[in-house]
Amino acid sequence: EPEVTQTPSHQVTQMGQEVILRCVPISNHLYFYWYRQILGQKVEFLVSFYNNEISEKSEIFDDQFSVERPDGSNFTLKIRSTKLEDSAMYFCASSAGAPGYTFGSGTRLTVV
Amino acid sequence: AQSVAQPEDQVNVAEGNPLTVKCTYSVSGNPYLFWYVQYPNRGLQFLLKYITGDNLVKGSYGFEAEFNKSQTSFHLKKPSALVSDSALYFCAVRPNRDDKIIFGKGTRLHILP
Repeated sequence: EPEVTQTPSHQVTQMGQEVILRCVPISNHLYFYWYRQILGQKVEFLVSFYNNEISEKSEIFDDQFSVERPDGSNFTLKIRSTKLEDSAMYFCASSAGAPGYTFGSGTRLTVV
Repeated sequence: AQSVAQPEDQVNVAEGNPLTVKCTYSVSGNPYLFWYVQYPNRGLQFLLKYITGDNLVKGSYGFEAEFNKSQTSFHLKKPSALVSDSALYFCAVRPNRDDKIIFGKGTRLHILP
């Protein structure tokens, strides 16, 4: 069964550093998403991406965040200057449209 | 505002007994409804979904969910719980095909041996 692949599985970074989280969505999917989950808490929507542009973003997705699909296969989330409160599990997801997504296994980001 | 409510933070069930994890939603129109499960230090695994049709939906690992439009509920059920079902369960809704998925806060299920 096709999978959404996320790398790395765990990343530790110093506060103030830039970090890039990588995702390879399912190849024929057109809609891409990033969600985050602060440890053991609710899963929160960050951003959706379609046709090479952001279609929706949440209040969490401020100017420190950006997304990119640089080469037609990868889908990346960049955090420019990480804060302690950015520590969370970040999930990438992709969809061909309705009705559901396929989630990746997540990247645990720890900001120290 | 659109929302999903999981009223129980934790549910404890003895192994072999039936289990129910509750979910209600407040979304306009006819949303798609989902249940996901998360095991410790793992990602989100899809369990089942309701799109249309039969109100009782069967999913992975023997789980099922019942859609009740009048009560705007989508409770997760299993006739006989296993210790291995212990995990964090998320109810989620997708208001229409282009919208984001909105998650409930999650319910931690403990199956007691």
